[in-house]
Amino acid sequence: ILNVEQSPQSLHVQEGDSTNFTCSFPSSNFYALHWYRWETAKSPEALFVMTLNGDEKKKGRISATLNTKEGYSYLYIKGSQPEDSATYLCALSDGGKLIFGQGTELSVKP
Amino acid sequence: EAEVAQSPRYKITEKSQAVAFWCDPISGHATLYWYRQILGQGPELLVQFQDESVVDDSQLPKDRFSAERLKGVDSTLKIQPAELGDSAMYLCASSSRQGVGEQFFGPGTRLTVL
Repeated sequence: ILNVEQSPQSLHVQEGDSTNFTCSFPSSNFYALHWYRWETAKSPEALFVMTLNGDEKKKGRISATLNTKEGYSYLYIKGSQPEDSATYLCALSDGGKLIFGQGTELSVKP
Repeated sequence: EAEVAQSPRYKITEKSQAVAFWCDPISGHATLYWYRQILGQGPELLVQFQDESVVDDSQLPKDRFSAERLKGVDSTLKIQPAELGDSAMYLCASSSRQGVGEQFFGPGTRLTVL
């Protein structure tokens, strides 16, 4: 059974700070690692899907890296803005369902 | 832009009552998932459909939960009777491809059981 751990559980930063979160998982076979952003009262929104060791993806001020050999992925937000406030979920795909971590709740204060 | 629709958005019920949630996936998506997220935890799969067939319902509490996708399009998740521990967010997602395909989520139904 794959176990996905995210840290920290919550994070409070000031506008303009850069921040990063960690997603850890057993370095075993899986199909893909997903990052989602989930704002209150909205649908979880897919940010990135990564499949290969060393993958790096970027979307605006947000980027992510994947290390399958050591079993972790980092999500970086450069120059956090209040609109970045959300819960960030990582999930492994086992070929069917997604197996989620518990999420990191980010709060960005103006 | 195509979206996954869910209703109701919020539901408050008393324990032992029956509740039902509805999901309409993105048109053409053959795979449909129901996840449950209990506060403080990540979402967990309850049931996965491929067209109208159940692919995985190993985590579905079958004594009280049922799910159907009769025509392989929209889906209904039912709980009867509801228990206090069923209070959670129920998320529906759909995908065009089983496996590595990106899953698109609806806004969820927040269930509170009193």
